[in-house]
Amino acid sequence: GAVVSQHPSRVICKSGTSVKIECRSLDFQATTMFWYRQFPKQSLMLMATSNEGSKATYEQGVEKDKFLINHASLTLSTLTVTSAHPEDSSFYICSARGSEGAKGVHIEETQYFGPGTRLLVL
Amino acid sequence: GQNIDQPTEMTATEGAIVQINCTYQTSGFNGLFWYQQHAGEAPTFLSYNVLDGLEEKGRFSSFLSRSKGYSYLLLKELQMKDSASYLCAPLDSNYQLIWGAGTKLIIKP
Repeated sequence: GAVVSQHPSRVICKSGTSVKIECRSLDFQATTMFWYRQFPKQSLMLMATSNEGSKATYEQGVEKDKFLINHASLTLSTLTVTSAHPEDSSFYICSARGSEGAKGVHIEETQYFGPGTRLLVL
Repeated sequence: GQNIDQPTEMTATEGAIVQINCTYQTSGFNGLFWYQQHAGEAPTFLSYNVLDGLEEKGRFSSFLSRSKGYSYLLLKELQMKDSASYLCAPLDSNYQLIWGAGTKLIIKP
């Protein structure tokens, strides 16, 4: 139980284009989803936290107009990188946290991670 | 402020035991997680401690001392596939995970 999928796993795009990344909780209802970014050999950096049906809360320094987050349902959140530039190239990882619906061992407050999306902007 | 302190890198031998220590300072505390992250992959959940003491789960055990702001992850019967980074992540008063850089564990045959 507690499986999170992320799509696409890898994307290469031209500078100036927009890229949408989907994050889905497959077997539980995710009341909260998190979006992280990780540069090589660095720690995870939280970008934003989103609760279903409400606006995302962005961390300091993260541009909300550039990184659009939508959490339309209890199983789906999307991150859109608008007008991507080479410096946006990174490993984007979502995680989901929920307290209902997961089978097997499930601990509230545990964040389960998707497999990540590697973005390369040329 | 909030701070996580773990060794940057550790080396151990296949079949041996290794203990990865973590000390932390957070604004409030709601438990501590350990995650494993292989190179190029997302983290995977290993353990969660909210009470003092040792939690054992197969080859992995995690210990917590809230009064000392200290935790460790114990890995037994090391296998080559255990080569990864191990992330200690306490949960603060806002239920946000606080991430450090993790400990890179290298297993040698």
